[in-house]
Amino acid sequence: EVQLVESGGGLVQPGGSLRVSCAASEFTFSNYWMSWVRQTPGKGLEWVANINEDGSEKYYVDSVKGRFTISRDNAKNSLYLQMNSLRVEDTAVYYCVRQTAFDIWGQGTVVTVSS
Amino acid sequence: DIVMTQTPLSLSVTPGQPASISCKSSQSLLHSDGRTYLYWYLQKPGQSPQLLIYEVSSRFSGVPDRFSGSGSGTDFTLKISRVEAEDFGVYYCMQGIHLPYTFGQGTKLEIK
Repeated sequence: EVQLVESGGGLVQPGGSLRVSCAASEFTFSNYWMSWVRQTPGKGLEWVANINEDGSEKYYVDSVKGRFTISRDNAKNSLYLQMNSLRVEDTAVYYCVRQTAFDIWGQGTVVTVSS
Repeated sequence: DIVMTQTPLSLSVTPGQPASISCKSSQSLLHSDGRTYLYWYLQKPGQSPQLLIYEVSSRFSGVPDRFSGSGSGTDFTLKISRVEAEDFGVYYCMQGIHLPYTFGQGTKLEIK
């Protein structure tokens, strides 16, 4: 079964850092653009960042530019999101998504930024 | 950024009856390649969003044919011909033509 499984979420203080990961299985990971999308009760669904097949192109929503870094390891079929200088408003469920029509979503990992 | 506006925000429907959701974008979603990058998703309680419709009107694998999408340019509609119990949840439209990709606010479909 084609699957994406996120991990690494947790509780972090404002100003702190966290890296979330996503493991892909049962498809050729290196052939796809990948995205991170987050969801909060207040702002709904928000696209955060994406990365092309070989990692040479990366794009971010303005609110995370300079703080978040998306990366991938095709040998490990894995996607990452390094989050630095975290803010309370970054609290959300973070989803890893295969970008072809956003057709495959992980189950999400919860990131809570609070003191 | 492109703003996606869904109406209504909530919808109460009796199983077996039709339902319709509108999504309007602040800019055209027609790409120079001739494709229109408008998608529809359903999020059931406690689950991740799942793709229903891509590029306005193409049903994703396994999606029942009671779901249909239509529209062009900036105005789009998702229709369910006869709502079933498994269809209840929150529906989102999304544009995939301009970064940042953006979603509608969501339409909650509830049992009447």
